[in-house]
Amino acid sequence: AQSVAQPEDQVNVAEGNPLTVKCTYSVSGNPYLFWYVQYPNRGLQFLLKYITGDNLVKGSYGFEAEFNKSQTSFHLKKPSALVSDSALYFCAVRGPTGFQKLVFGTGTRLLVSP
Amino acid sequence: EAQVTQNPRYLITVTGKKLTVTCSQNMNHEYMSWYRQDPGLGLRQIYYSMNVEVTDKGDVPEGYKVSRKEKRNFPLILESPSPNQTSLYFCASSLVSVDTIEAFFGQGTRLTVV
Repeated sequence: AQSVAQPEDQVNVAEGNPLTVKCTYSVSGNPYLFWYVQYPNRGLQFLLKYITGDNLVKGSYGFEAEFNKSQTSFHLKKPSALVSDSALYFCAVRGPTGFQKLVFGTGTRLLVSP
Repeated sequence: EAQVTQNPRYLITVTGKKLTVTCSQNMNHEYMSWYRQDPGLGLRQIYYSMNVEVTDKGDVPEGYKVSRKEKRNFPLILESPSPNQTSLYFCASSLVSVDTIEAFFGQGTRLTVV
């Protein structure tokens, strides 16, 4: 069974500084990996995905993520944080044969201070 | 506009009173799913459907029912709600395709059972 771990409940960063939100996964076979963002009182919005190919994937709002197979990680990054990036971020994984199950981590709250 | 629509957005009900939360998508997606979001637990899958008349249990199906009579609709039914079903519920849909595998989410339904 697949699983996702987000080890940090909250990440604090100053505006203009780089940010990293960590995610590790466990799945049999090659994973499909995703990042979603949730703003207050909103649904989840898709940020980016890794299916295959380049380990560095770029997504919406200047976010990117790096797939590392040996470390089973898929950390979310942004070179320069904005106050408006403050939100709840979820990492998710789907197994190679499992269209049915999109498994989420517990979420990491990102707080960007002015 | 492509979207997943859930209704109602907010609902307060009493224990044992049957309720239905509707979910509709206009993207012709085969896959639809229900999740509940609880603090510290992330999103947990309740039920999913791969296509019309095809449904299966997720991780936390107890106390819930679903049906998929039409491709666009996937209602969540609570036959006899209990206080432990107080939660934030999300419906999601996606194509069953490797290239477009990311899920689209509704705005959420906040349910309180008293």
